[in-house]
Amino acid sequence: KAGVTQTPRYLIKTRGQQVTLSCSPISGHRSVSWYQQTPGQGLQFLFEYFSETQRNKGNFPGRFSGRQFSNSRSEMNVSTLELGDSALYLCASSLSSVTGSSYEQYFGPGTRLTVT
Amino acid sequence: AQSVAQPEDQVNVAEGNPLTVKCTYSVSGNPYLFWYVQYPNRGLQFLLKYITGDNLVKGSYGFEAEFNKSQTSFHLKKPSALVSDSALYFCAVRDSLTGGGNKLTFGTGTQLKVEL
Repeated sequence: KAGVTQTPRYLIKTRGQQVTLSCSPISGHRSVSWYQQTPGQGLQFLFEYFSETQRNKGNFPGRFSGRQFSNSRSEMNVSTLELGDSALYLCASSLSSVTGSSYEQYFGPGTRLTVT
Repeated sequence: AQSVAQPEDQVNVAEGNPLTVKCTYSVSGNPYLFWYVQYPNRGLQFLLKYITGDNLVKGSYGFEAEFNKSQTSFHLKKPSALVSDSALYFCAVRDSLTGGGNKLTFGTGTQLKVEL
């Protein structure tokens, strides 16, 4: 089975611009989560989508948004980029159910976003 | 709120010696606990998880972890370390009271260095 794929792998943007990151989960996985990794804040949960609905949300400003399509692929959007948004953005997919999940998440290689 | 602590930023061990990477957690319900490893410029790789059952969990690449409810700990262990085990290790927790969902809270990570 192919793993989680993320595109693009590297991205350089200017402050004030917006960016869209893409994630394709493992086939059959309906849950997709996004995390931000920075040296200062570590790994922080952004949001999770399950069956095209946002199921959980972390403590990030509204500039961070996402969506999930019917094929479970997910996109994450950051508007009005700030220097502090420079980070590795990781996508993870998981088997899951409506009522809960004890399944592990499988991570993609990440998108390295640099904001100048 | 759930939290995870990894008290050691770095652990050094000689190849062939046993290794332990420490993790303690705090959750309001029963914990779902995970260990992940990250190699440079890569995403996170799943090692093992504790959901319920035996307190000693076996995972990938010869790693195992011991769940201790009274000490709220979930330490990662390996009987004989390899130089190739050198990487960044993350402990994570999902609170069972979260309900449906895959929100993970990660520790700050422990850099493992295995020397010849």
